Amino acid sequence: DAKTTQPPSMDCAEGRAANLPCNHSTISGNEYVYWYRQIHSQGPQYIIHGLKNNETNEMASLIITEDRKSSTLILPHATLRDTAVYYCIVRGRMDSSYKLIFGSGTRLLVRP
Amino acid sequence: EPEVTQTPSHQVTQMGQEVILRCVPISNHLYFYWYRQILGQKVEFLVSFYNNEISEKSEIFDDQFSVERPDGSNFTLKIRSTKLEDSAMYFCASSEDTEETQYFGPGTRLLVL
Repeated sequence: DAKTTQPPSMDCAEGRAANLPCNHSTISGNEYVYWYRQIHSQGPQYIIHGLKNNETNEMASLIITEDRKSSTLILPHATLRDTAVYYCIVRGRMDSSYKLIFGSGTRLLVRP
Repeated sequence: EPEVTQTPSHQVTQMGQEVILRCVPISNHLYFYWYRQILGQKVEFLVSFYNNEISEKSEIFDDQFSVERPDGSNFTLKIRSTKLEDSAMYFCASSEDTEETQYFGPGTRLLVL
């Protein structure tokens, strides 16, 4: 089962920031938080990941709380093409399992 | 930017037929994976593969399924005798190392009639 909890759906206006929350209260010290998204039925697209520090790349920013029990993915200027299902996944770098466990994610609708 | 590719994009087959789904992972990646997504459901892990061996497989990956790296670039998923319930999107992924980020291909939509 997924170790994360996300709201089933959110929406935001085009050009505004989209802030997608994720709870991972059982996260352990060596587990990373990964974010992927899936547009229509395309393959999951990697967005960003982090351990405890905030991270930023060309796609998004990831803010992880100090206790690491939750995080927020920020799309700073959402466009219509950002409409997708966003998955927050916790995965340990030293896990014996290689697999990613996908939950139901958050369906983000960007409104014109 | 390097990417994972998959062929075919769509496959229609009759129940009981064999299908082979093909993937070309990112060239310097050593770990390969298959996932599937039945319409309207979650993405599910099927199998991981490293050094010409299965590293891990899920309960879904039964004797009907097999994987192979027939040459230095391709990674295949074979379903020996397809069932109606095998209809799904099948995604290939690869990573440099088991600890590194997995990158996914665009998927093959399999429809079993």
